[in-house]
Amino acid sequence: QVQLQESGPGLVKPSETLSLTCTVSGGSISSYYWSWIRQPPGKGLEWIGYIYYSGSTNYNPSLKSRVTISVDTSKNQFSLKLSSVTAADTAVYYCARFAGAAVAGQYNWFDPWGQGTLVTVSS
Amino acid sequence: SYELTQPPSVSVSPGQTARITCSGDALPKQYAYWYQQKPGQAPVLVIYKDSERPSGIPERFSGSSSGTTVTLTISGVQAEDEADYYCQSADSSGTYEVFGGGTKLTVL
Repeated sequence: QVQLQESGPGLVKPSETLSLTCTVSGGSISSYYWSWIRQPPGKGLEWIGYIYYSGSTNYNPSLKSRVTISVDTSKNQFSLKLSSVTAADTAVYYCARFAGAAVAGQYNWFDPWGQGTLVTVSS
Repeated sequence: SYELTQPPSVSVSPGQTARITCSGDALPKQYAYWYQQKPGQAPVLVIYKDSERPSGIPERFSGSSSGTTVTLTISGVQAEDEADYYCQSADSSGTYEVFGGGTKLTVL
């Protein structure tokens, strides 16, 4: 079965760029959409964006100016970059498969999820 | 921006039925999905496409839809069902994904 694992620095300084990678195992990254979701401590879930294995992307409008999601099919990985971070970006970051319809926007859900990684923005 | 509205908390006694609602203007057009999240763990999908149950999810979990409201029903609640529950859906055009604010289910 497909499993996802996030990796990257747990501490990022304000104004710098947060970078995370999600490694997919137990299946190919091809033919699916993949997504990033975050959860500030004690708060709810926020969708960040998704990428198709071919490289097409879609981002949350509230984060669009600062977010880049990319994919490396040769490594079965996809990545998140969030620029100009502030303390408000402190959160557990999850990667997940955006499953369901072959074309995003018809009927899609997040399954499975990685275990999540806490990223703290602090000097 | 599009929003999904959930009650912050629901409390039930063991063996009773818990109902968690999620309201949004686009729900008549878009499917809803439900996730269970226990402390320190990643969310787990419990309902997809309004009322479908993934394999491995107990039959006591069910979903329904009526107009602008979808409902997650947990019949015969068990102590292990105590968790946060989140609904998810898309805006009316299917472009952006949104989560509800979450509902904390307490088993008394």
